[in-house]
Formats: sequence, C-alpha cells, structure tokens
Amino acid sequence: RKEVEQDPGPFNVPEGATVAFNCTYSNSASQSFFWYRQDCRKEPKLLMSVYSSGNEDGRFTAQLNRASQYISLLIRDSKLSDSATYLCAVGDSGGYNKLIFGAGTRLAVHP
Amino acid sequence: DAGITQSPRHKVTETGTPVTLRCHQTENHRYMYWYRQDPGHGLRLIHYSYGVKDTDKGEVSDGYSVSRSKTEDFLLTLESATSSQTSVYFCAILDDRSEQYFGPGTRLTVT
Repeated sequence: RKEVEQDPGPFNVPEGATVAFNCTYSNSASQSFFWYRQDCRKEPKLLMSVYSSGNEDGRFTAQLNRASQYISLLIRDSKLSDSATYLCAVGDSGGYNKLIFGAGTRLAVHP
Repeated sequence: DAGITQSPRHKVTETGTPVTLRCHQTENHRYMYWYRQDPGHGLRLIHYSYGVKDTDKGEVSDGYSVSRSKTEDFLLTLESATSSQTSVYFCAILDDRSEQYFGPGTRLTVT
C-alpha cells in the first residue's frame, strides 16, 4: 500500500461544477498536510496548507479527517483555469519537514 | 516567487556520464530538498539538506549524491547516469511557515 494515495482521475467536469478530491495517508503520526496544483510541464505550486480545523480560500476548501486518515479538497464553481493536476502531500513524521506526495489527481474543466 | 532557480533546465546525456544539477535560492532558507517526478509516482524525495554541509538521504537516494557548501546552492550529482534516472528533477525550499516551494525543474534525459 502506498503511503499517500489519490484517485488519478481524470475528473471531467463542466464549468461551474463542484468537485471534490480525497487523499488517504497511512502514517497516523503525520502532522502536516498540503495541496499543490501542478500545470502540465510546470513545477508544483502550493495551493493551500490543510489545518485540523479545515480552511477555505475563496472557492477552495480543504479538510482533514484524522480518524479516517484522509484530506480532502473541494473546488466550487469550477473554472476552465482550474484544469490541472492536484497533488496532496503529507509531512513525514520523522522531522525535517520532508513530504510524501500522492501521484496526483487530474482535473479537466470543460465549457 | 520563492527566488529558486535550477540549472540546466534541460539536459540530454549519455549513460555512464556524470551529471550535476544546480539549485540556487536567494532568500537564505535553511532547508532545501531534491525530488524526482515520474509518471505514476508523484514526487519522490532524493536528498535533503538542513544546513550548510548538513545533508541526508531521502526515499530514492541510490545513484545520487548532493553537496551544500553554501546556503544558497544545493547540488545534485548523478555519478554515472543510467536510463532509469531519466526524469524531471525539482528542487524545493522550506519557508518560515514550514511550507515547501519548488523551483522550475530540470528535465533530464539519459540515452
């Protein structure tokens, strides 16, 4: 079993739709969680850190469920520009802020 | 913009040759990381550094070495490149909020 798992997709949604991604992790001692966005042939860009209380940034909402060991990302009112691959990352409990990444979920938003 | 540059951005080399990739940052961050990204695997940590001359191995360190003789530069060396090291290499820094930001990447092809 991989340490961090994501549904690879693709998720094909129309503009304006709400879409949600989940990411499961295996290490219950993990303390930090992140969502990154990656466009084709570009570097990952931090979308948001995920806090225990959940957090929201405009159309994006991230949640952490420690009991079930998953994090989620909700995108409301999808835009064409949201088309990208979304990577989740989980902090390694061993320190030094090392991250373990999922393989990513591809989102395609169509008109 | 986290002030991270990587060089070269693209490189084609032959099996058995040594290759050095450079990561340069301008903001004096203590922690730096090297990842590789391959289809289906997401980003995997190769080596990381927690200060000048302080480095350690990540998940996929075999065949790679690193050096950090000054804060701003973190070098990744493939001592004798193999075709399995064809990949996209990303460098990252850890900022003051314990969030990682990535450089633009180096596409390496080993023929």
